[in-house]
Amino acid sequence: QKEVEQNSGPLSVPEGAIASLNCTYSDRGSQSFFWYRQYSGKSPELIMSIYSNGDKEDGRFTAQLNKASQYVSLLIRDSQPSDSATYLCAVGTSYGKLTFGQGTILTVHP
Amino acid sequence: DAGVIQSPRHEVTEMGQEVTLRCKPISGHDYLFWYRQTMMRGLELLIYFNNNVPIDDSGMPEDRFSAKMPNASFSTLKIQPSEPRDSAVYFCASNGGAGNTIYFGEGSWLTVV
Repeated sequence: QKEVEQNSGPLSVPEGAIASLNCTYSDRGSQSFFWYRQYSGKSPELIMSIYSNGDKEDGRFTAQLNKASQYVSLLIRDSQPSDSATYLCAVGTSYGKLTFGQGTILTVHP
Repeated sequence: DAGVIQSPRHEVTEMGQEVTLRCKPISGHDYLFWYRQTMMRGLELLIYFNNNVPIDDSGMPEDRFSAKMPNASFSTLKIQPSEPRDSAVYFCASNGGAGNTIYFGEGSWLTVV
């Protein structure tokens, strides 16, 4: 089992719709969770971080964490074509290791 | 503040040659990470350091790869000898503590022919 797994994608949604991205992880000791966005040819950039169970909202983005189910998700409301990118889930441990999932390619079409 | 600085940005080398990638982390950050990204395998953690000490190098693919961090402001990733399957983007990243956000450099795009 991979340490961090994401829904395989690619995911295509119409402009204005909600995009839902999912991630599961294997290490129950994981303590920090991140969503990064990566445009083609660029380095990953942070969108959201979440550390405790529940929802965390930032503008059009909502991260959800369920440690019992070892599950993290990212919802993007009112999706825009500029949201088209690869989204990477990352999971961190207390000793500093940060592991990324394979990424989900999101396309938002007008 | 300057971000994570990597060099070279692009390198094309012949199979069998030695490749050295360099990284300067953000000042004050005590964790440094080396990742490799390919289409097939995604973003893989190769090795990470805490206070210049390697903590986990289990992701280093084989003995041809080595990494050092001689001081808090500099790290190298060396491949010797290089092979075509080493062609990838190599990212360096740093953060200021376990659980903190990591910040990536712009990557070193390596092509081995």
